[in-house]
Amino acid sequence: DVVMTQTPPSLSVAIGQSVSISCKSSQSLVYSDGKTYLHWLLQSSGRSPKRLIYQVSNLDSGVPDRFSGTGSQKDFTLKISRVEAKDLGVYYCAQTTHFPYTFGAGTKLELK
Amino acid sequence: EVQLVESGGGLVQPGRSLKLSCAASGFTFSNYYMAWVRQAPKKGLEWVATISTSGSRTYYPDSVKGRFTISRDNAKSSLYLQMNSLKSEDTATYYCARRGGDAWGQGASVTVSS
Repeated sequence: DVVMTQTPPSLSVAIGQSVSISCKSSQSLVYSDGKTYLHWLLQSSGRSPKRLIYQVSNLDSGVPDRFSGTGSQKDFTLKISRVEAKDLGVYYCAQTTHFPYTFGAGTKLELK
Repeated sequence: EVQLVESGGGLVQPGRSLKLSCAASGFTFSNYYMAWVRQAPKKGLEWVATISTSGSRTYYPDSVKGRFTISRDNAKSSLYLQMNSLKSEDTATYYCARRGGDAWGQGASVTVSS
């Protein structure tokens, strides 16, 4: 199975700061169609997960451009600029290139 | 509006069975691969089953292979998860989701305990 290693496990941030979360996979996430199925999701407290970014760098509808995703092959990063209170929660990377699909362990973003 | 609504959760004894259902609306259900994802209490997310658009192909991680069966009824826009030989470690909230993770249900709680 593809192992997704997410770091750091937690981040304390002040409102307005910028943060980055890393996600590394044990295998390349490039599918046979040339696309990379690496996504980022946010799970706010008590809520279902919500996808923010799909295929490395594409923002889902309604997601502010303070969020950005970069990376390729096995190394990916989520950056959040000017953190707002509604950004707090647990961030997960997820791969849907290889079966079984897998998630990272999560990064908890909380207020400093 | 895309909606996924799970049902069928509850308390079940170890070794018994339970079947979850997910009613989909707001999109053409038959065009999408679908999945079940679970989250044990205070833990992360785990994909537990994925099914192709026609239902002919299914995928499971080793943790549930042979015990869980995913199925779908495209005429009813419904997804199912049959869970057999349940163990305490299957205790979790089970989410119905579209394969790409762009739509999720509210979750169904399953507790396996004697």
